[in-house]
Amino acid sequence: GDSVTQMEGPVTLSEEAFLTINCTYTATGYPSLFWYVQYPGEGLQLLLKATKADDKGSNKGFEATYRKETTSFHLEKGSVQVSDSAVYFCALSPMESNYQLIWGAGTKLIIKP
Amino acid sequence: SQTIHQWPATLVQPVGSPLSLECTVEGTSNPNLYWYRQAAGRGLQLLFYSVGIGQISSEVPQNLSASRPQDRQFILSSKKLLLSDSGFYLCAWSWGGRTYEQYFGPGTRLTVT
Repeated sequence: GDSVTQMEGPVTLSEEAFLTINCTYTATGYPSLFWYVQYPGEGLQLLLKATKADDKGSNKGFEATYRKETTSFHLEKGSVQVSDSAVYFCALSPMESNYQLIWGAGTKLIIKP
Repeated sequence: SQTIHQWPATLVQPVGSPLSLECTVEGTSNPNLYWYRQAAGRGLQLLFYSVGIGQISSEVPQNLSASRPQDRQFILSSKKLLLSDSGFYLCAWSWGGRTYEQYFGPGTRLTVT
């Protein structure tokens, strides 16, 4: 079945460092891909999405490119801030929809000042 | 615009007591609705989803149940709580029909003592 694999955390970086959180997937066809962010004690927020190969989603300085050839959707940011500390979830919406999203396990990001 | 509400925000209940968590969505019609649970430091576990009034699909066997008495209302219930029911409960909605992104509420922190 379809699945999403994220790099294990926590990921600890200093402020202004470059961020990459890896996400790879297994799915048939061309699923839609998403990154969500969860700040402590809050619900998840949609951060960005891409619906077809080579699409780049971007929001709040974060970017991710839908790579069909490597089945990846890695999250990047050029210069992180302390306020980016959160848990990040990668997810996909299968083409053969059963109304659900397939979720990665989440990656905790800690930014130190 | 669409808004999703959950209440209560926090709840402390003794083992064996009943539970009722409520979720409502504003600004859309016939949404898909979802209940997730998130154990401390863990990922998301889909508990129930609904594609219409009275239509509930359960993902995991448990002592919880869900109901959808109105189009934009989703209720999570239990007759007798267990210690293992403690966690962060998240309600989400998506546009009716094929699933793309889901939008989450603020969550309910449940502690069973």
